[in-house]
Amino acid sequence: KNEVEQSPQNLTAQEGEFITINCSYSVGISALHWLQQHPGGGIVSLFMLSSGKKKHGRLIATINIQEKHSSLHITASHPRDSAVYICAVRSDGGGSEKLVFGKGTKLTVNP
Amino acid sequence: DAGVIQSPRHEVTEMGQEVTLRCKPISGHNSLFWYRQTMMRGLELLIYFNNNVPIDDSGMPEDRFSAKMPNASFSTLKIQPSEPRDSAVYFCASSTPGARDHAYEQYFGPGTRLTVT
Repeated sequence: KNEVEQSPQNLTAQEGEFITINCSYSVGISALHWLQQHPGGGIVSLFMLSSGKKKHGRLIATINIQEKHSSLHITASHPRDSAVYICAVRSDGGGSEKLVFGKGTKLTVNP
Repeated sequence: DAGVIQSPRHEVTEMGQEVTLRCKPISGHNSLFWYRQTMMRGLELLIYFNNNVPIDDSGMPEDRFSAKMPNASFSTLKIQPSEPRDSAVYFCASSTPGARDHAYEQYFGPGTRLTVT
């Protein structure tokens, strides 16, 4: 079993829909990262969080440490949100900065 | 800042040849990461450096892979000899604990797409 599991693997939505991508992990963590990989291949960090909730524009990330679960929400989705969204965790052992990645969720937003 | 710089952006080489990938981290960042991305395995950490010292190289596949960071502004990942199964996109990223709201956030370079025939 992978340490980081994402669901769904693929997601297709209509413009304007509310999107939720889930991430579950099995290890103790010091932080969880959400990354976005554009169709051209570039990777951008969206959020890094260790508790609670963060919001940036139409994007919201939440984490529940007890349940080892995080969600990424996109409100009023737009075709430009089409990308692969990747969850990654940094373990809480010994100050390591090593990230372990989920396989990603491919989001397609149709106009 | 120019962000993380990687070169070359694309590399096509024949099996058995030596390949060297290069990375310049963001100025002031003291951690540097090399990742490999394939369709089958997704993103995987190969090695990371902190203050130019290798900290975790457990992801380096085998002795054909080596990485160096001779100074704070330059790192190389070398594959010798290369094999077709090394074909992947290789990303470099950097981070710093010192950025107030972005401590330990990783900034990725554009990647090098390697094809070994």
